[in-house]
Amino acid sequence: RKEVEQDPGPFNVPEGATVAFNCTYSNSASQSFFWYRQDCRKEPKLLMSVYSSGNEDGRFTAQLNRASQYISLLIRDSKLSDSATYLCVVTGYGQNFVFGPGTRLSVLP
Amino acid sequence: EAEVAQSPRYKITEKSQAVAFWCDPISGHATLYWYRQILGQGPELLVQFQDESVVDDSQLPKDRFSAERLKGVDSTLKIQPAELGDSAMYLCASSPVDRLAKNIQYFGAGTRLSVL
Repeated sequence: RKEVEQDPGPFNVPEGATVAFNCTYSNSASQSFFWYRQDCRKEPKLLMSVYSSGNEDGRFTAQLNRASQYISLLIRDSKLSDSATYLCVVTGYGQNFVFGPGTRLSVLP
Repeated sequence: EAEVAQSPRYKITEKSQAVAFWCDPISGHATLYWYRQILGQGPELLVQFQDESVVDDSQLPKDRFSAERLKGVDSTLKIQPAELGDSAMYLCASSPVDRLAKNIQYFGAGTRLSVL
């Protein structure tokens, strides 16, 4: 089993839609969780850290469920500029960062 | 805004040749990472440095890959000899602290390697 797994996607949604991505991780001792955004052929950029109590940043909401080893990202009122690949990142067994394979989102006009 | 610098941006080489990539992290960042990202996959850690010391190189194919950060600042990743399967994006990242709870990585633009 891979350490970090994500919805395979791609997700094709109309502008204004709400979309949610899921991520599961295998290391119950993981401490840090992040969502990164990666545009086509560009480097990953931090979107948001994920805290135990859940956190929100504008249209983006991240949730963490430690019992189920599950992280989610909710995007409300999708914009064309949200089109990208969303990477789930978790600290792994060696306390290094482990990236999921990513979920590709296309927001359509 | 400070950036992680990488060069070259693109590299085309023939198999069995040697290639080298360079990374200059954000000033003051003690931790430096090299990742490889194959198209359609997430980045995979190759090596992690804390200052000039290797913290994790368990996924580095040591028969052909080497990495160094001699003065604890910039770093070089080398592949010799390159193989067709090495074609990928090589990303460098740095972070300001070594306590993972506060650790955020900042990525460079990457070097896209094509091995022919």
